[in-house]
Amino acid sequence: AQRVTQPEKLLSVFKGAPVELKCNYSYSGSPELFWYVQYSRQRLQLLLRHISRESIKGFTADLNKGETSFHLKKPFAQEEDSAMYYCALSPLSGSRLTFGEGTQLTVNP
Amino acid sequence: GAGVSQTPSNKVTEKGKYVELRCDPISGHTALYWYRQSLGQGPEFLIYFQGTGAADDSGLPNDRFFAVRPEGSVSTLKIQRTERGDSAVYLCASRSLGDRGLRFNYGYTFGSGTRLTVV
Repeated sequence: AQRVTQPEKLLSVFKGAPVELKCNYSYSGSPELFWYVQYSRQRLQLLLRHISRESIKGFTADLNKGETSFHLKKPFAQEEDSAMYYCALSPLSGSRLTFGEGTQLTVNP
Repeated sequence: GAGVSQTPSNKVTEKGKYVELRCDPISGHTALYWYRQSLGQGPEFLIYFQGTGAADDSGLPNDRFFAVRPEGSVSTLKIQRTERGDSAVYLCASRSLGDRGLRFNYGYTFGSGTRLTVV
């Protein structure tokens, strides 16, 4: 069975502060990990995925297989980063995504 | 169209009624997915189509739920004898099979969802 855990439902930081959204997963094989974001009144969209090792909008996430984590980080949060963030997992051989419950990030001015 | 289109955007129905939710994927996308998102939860997988056939329907909660994709493009999620617990946002996503070899889940595009309320 595959499972994604996001321990924080709500996270609030001030503009310019570092932010880290936690994600832990359980899966017996080698999964592919993703972060999706949903801005207010917009549809769910892909933010980044571990396989591409890219930085999007200043966010990065490193897959730590030893700790089974895929935390999302940004060194200097911006107000426009306020949104709901979902961590998601997919088996490399399959295509269904399993999502965490999400973390609502609020960046205060 | 340019994106995944879902209709209606909102649906209010009475307990026990039948509803149909429609998803129009991106043209040419062979894979189509349905998810359900309850309040305060992440999206939950329901069913996945590859072309016209359901490749994985293990997420359908019970036999009141059924989905079709007869021509390999538009899909309809059907819910019989609706219950209040069915109230949720139903999300549809599509993906091009061609992306699968390059980026396993790259190219998932989600629709805006249908908010179903059963009263």
